[in-house]
Amino acid sequence: AQSVAQPEDQVNVAEGNPLTVKCTYSVSGNPYLFWYVQYPNRGLQFLLKYITGDNLVKGSYGFEAEFNKSQTSFHLKKPSALVSDSALYFCAVSGNYGGATNKLIFGTGTLLAVQP
Amino acid sequence: GAVVSQHPSWVICKSGTSVKIECRSLDFQATTMFWYRQFPKQSLMLMATSNEGSKATYEQGVEKDKFLINHASLTLSTLTVTSAHPEDSSFYICSARDGSRGISTDTQYFGPGTRLTVL
Repeated sequence: AQSVAQPEDQVNVAEGNPLTVKCTYSVSGNPYLFWYVQYPNRGLQFLLKYITGDNLVKGSYGFEAEFNKSQTSFHLKKPSALVSDSALYFCAVSGNYGGATNKLIFGTGTLLAVQP
Repeated sequence: GAVVSQHPSWVICKSGTSVKIECRSLDFQATTMFWYRQFPKQSLMLMATSNEGSKATYEQGVEKDKFLINHASLTLSTLTVTSAHPEDSSFYICSARDGSRGISTDTQYFGPGTRLTVL
């Protein structure tokens, strides 16, 4: 069964410092991996995804993520955090089984708090 | 591009009434839409997958007669919570997948969510 783990409920970082939000996955076959961000009382905004190709994926708002197949990880990173980055971050995985309705399996979310 | 809207953004209703939530893809055709439920400080729980022109596929444990889903067009899906009760109070989020570019994109775009409170 597919699953996603986000081991940290919360990550605290000072503004201007680099940030990392961790995600590991478990799927059979090749995964599609996604990061979404959710601000309070809002839906999810798509940040980036890995389908195939270069292991380093660049996304919106200066975020990037590195796909590591051997470690089954897809950690989200940003070189310099902003206070406005404070939000709830979700990692998600779907399988590329070729079906028309591939589902997203979400992690439990990581609350990022950036202190000024 | 890839904007998904939801209406209403919040709704308060009395126990026993029905509530309809609309999900629209504004600038693309959504062959597939998904409905999620999110409890406070928790992750999203997939309720059902909605394909245009066919019956929705519900996840295990989700009552299809209580949560009616209709996907009558490529830009609109509706979720109706029938005979709502306080335990149905939650944040409901829809998403839509752009089917025009083929399976490889597989990106779901989310609506802003609907806060349902049942008194």
